[in-house]
Amino acid sequence: DTAVSQTPKYLVTQMGNDKSIKCEQNLGHDTMYWYKQDSKKFLKIMFSYNNKELIINETVPNRFSPKSPDKAHLNLHINSLELGDSAVYFCASSQETENTEAFFGQGTRLTVV
Amino acid sequence: AQRVTQPEKLLSVFKGAPVELKCNYSYSGSPELFWYVQYSRQRLQLLLRHISRESIKGFTADLNKGETSFHLKKPFAQEEDSAMYYCALRDPYSGAGSYQLTFGKGTKLSVIP
Repeated sequence: DTAVSQTPKYLVTQMGNDKSIKCEQNLGHDTMYWYKQDSKKFLKIMFSYNNKELIINETVPNRFSPKSPDKAHLNLHINSLELGDSAVYFCASSQETENTEAFFGQGTRLTVV
Repeated sequence: AQRVTQPEKLLSVFKGAPVELKCNYSYSGSPELFWYVQYSRQRLQLLLRHISRESIKGFTADLNKGETSFHLKKPFAQEEDSAMYYCALRDPYSGAGSYQLTFGKGTKLSVIP
């Protein structure tokens, strides 16, 4: 069973469109995250979320919004897509304890044309 | 603010040669430090964490608080070690919902046969 799964794996869309990436974890973790990996392979946190708190990286445009229907899901909605949004987006989850491992999804490669 | 620096973007070594991937961090307290690895077309996964002080796939990493370093080492490189390696830091005192990782920019290790 896949621990953290994202859909779709690839997403190609035009500028200005609105799209969503879904993420589900079956590990019973209480915290989920979205990371962005740019063309230079640099990984940066976008959001972290548990049932108490959403923490947003201040550099993330407000066109990006996480939505969590329940503890096992954290979807990423992106409005008015721009060329610069092209990247690989990784979902991850972990338990909120010290030195715990974060488990990552396989990534969603978003290409905005 | 915490920061992780991996000075080498690319490191090429011959098979059987020693490997050292450098990682330096900036953090005022006692951080949690990790090495994550991303093999080609695979998801990011934990390689090792400083608290475990273990050897995984022949790799070790020692936390040096004086030098604020957490370099990853392996005495004899193998072809299957070729991958992207990320050093990551977590602030254990940042409060609920903040168990996010701060990643270095990554080092691509290429092992030449």
